[in-house]
Amino acid sequence: GQNIDQPTEMTATEGAIVQINCTYQTSGFNGLFWYQQHAGEAPTFLSYNVLDGLEEKGRFSSFLSRSKGYSYLLLKELQMKDSASYLCAVRDRGYSTLTFGKGTMLLVSP
Amino acid sequence: NAGVMQNPRHLVRRRGQEARLRCSPMKGHSHVYWYRQLPEEGLKFMVYLQKENIIDESGMPKERFSAEFPKEGPSILRIQQVVRGDSAAYFCASSTQRGTRELFFGEGSRLTVL
Repeated sequence: GQNIDQPTEMTATEGAIVQINCTYQTSGFNGLFWYQQHAGEAPTFLSYNVLDGLEEKGRFSSFLSRSKGYSYLLLKELQMKDSASYLCAVRDRGYSTLTFGKGTMLLVSP
Repeated sequence: NAGVMQNPRHLVRRRGQEARLRCSPMKGHSHVYWYRQLPEEGLKFMVYLQKENIIDESGMPKERFSAEFPKEGPSILRIQQVVRGDSAAYFCASSTQRGTRELFFGEGSRLTVL
């Protein structure tokens, strides 16, 4: 089975930096994903980590430590449009499905 | 280049009726996944299909729910004799191949059971 934990809500100020943590306990592991989901919309892919370390993509970065079962998503220079739910997901060795956490609702205020 | 298309976007059914949700994957994608999202809950995996095959249905309820992805046409998620607890957003995602890095999601179908 898979268990994925992330904070329910976070708040931050426009222009600031925020780190959203995700911990997982899984029977297998073949990659960790971060998705962004605005209310009433489709989840959209942000990042993918399969090896330990930091992956940077513009204002967003994602980090993975497989030995600790831990990842974080780092958002820099926050904008109001970054207010959304951020979903952490893990893929098992089966190369098939993603198991999602409940998501972290981020509210960016002026 | 159209994305994953789901319809209907909104569906209202009375208890006991049937709901059919359709999903057309992105062009060139032959793998389809269905997820359910309840209010305040995460996306829960339901079923993974390839053309004419169910690969993994470990997340499907044992009764009333079925899915297919025929050789021609969209994938269909069918819910028979709906109950209020079936009210949720149902998302479809597609990918080019198994184990790909990225799933592309549709906008979802929101089912309300009265």
